[in-house]
Amino acid sequence: GQQLNQSPQSMFIQEGEDVSMNCTSSSIFNTWLWYKQDPGEGPVLLIALYKAGELTSNGRLTAQFGITRKDSFLNISASIPSDVGIYFCAGRDSGGSNYKLTFGKGTLLTVNP
Amino acid sequence: NAGVMQNPRHLVRRRGQEARLRCSPMKGHSHVYWYRQLPEEGLKFMVYLQKENIIDESGMPKERFSAEFPKEGPSILRIQQVVRGDSAAYFCASSPIDSYEQYFGPGTRLTVT
Repeated sequence: GQQLNQSPQSMFIQEGEDVSMNCTSSSIFNTWLWYKQDPGEGPVLLIALYKAGELTSNGRLTAQFGITRKDSFLNISASIPSDVGIYFCAGRDSGGSNYKLTFGKGTLLTVNP
Repeated sequence: NAGVMQNPRHLVRRRGQEARLRCSPMKGHSHVYWYRQLPEEGLKFMVYLQKENIIDESGMPKERFSAEFPKEGPSILRIQQVVRGDSAAYFCASSPIDSYEQYFGPGTRLTVT
């Protein structure tokens, strides 16, 4: 099946620092989505990307759809304590079931105030 | 506008019992997806349904698991004769027609004792 490698697994940063995380896939994806999950809650959609090379922002978050269509990046600028949580990438592949999302294993972000 | 609703939030079952998980999609959404999440893992696709139709159940275990999305009422994920390995968080997501953006509910945490 599809594989998504998400890195890093965890990050410990100081408040105010910028953060970068990425996902790579074993095959071409048509859509990349980034989610944030707080403990005991469901994932919340942050950004959706639909075209190779696309760069989309949502406040302090910026995500990019890689040119090869096999990777995506999420950047968080000027982190704040409420950014703490697990960030997941998810992709929709180019064949087969068009609606099924494959998820990475997540990046656990800790922000020290 | 209410989000995706799931109940119960927590469910404890003894081995051999049945578990019924319910999901009401966001208003206006006609597509429902179920995912399972194990500790420190990403979400794994189970099934995709539209009203009265199972579109893709490629992620569902062949035995004991079933899902439905009737014309009226919530979507139901049913697990018969639960075993300890079924303990996990089960998330439901919904999307409108012709959108790949999936919005998640808060999840049901199933514990099998």
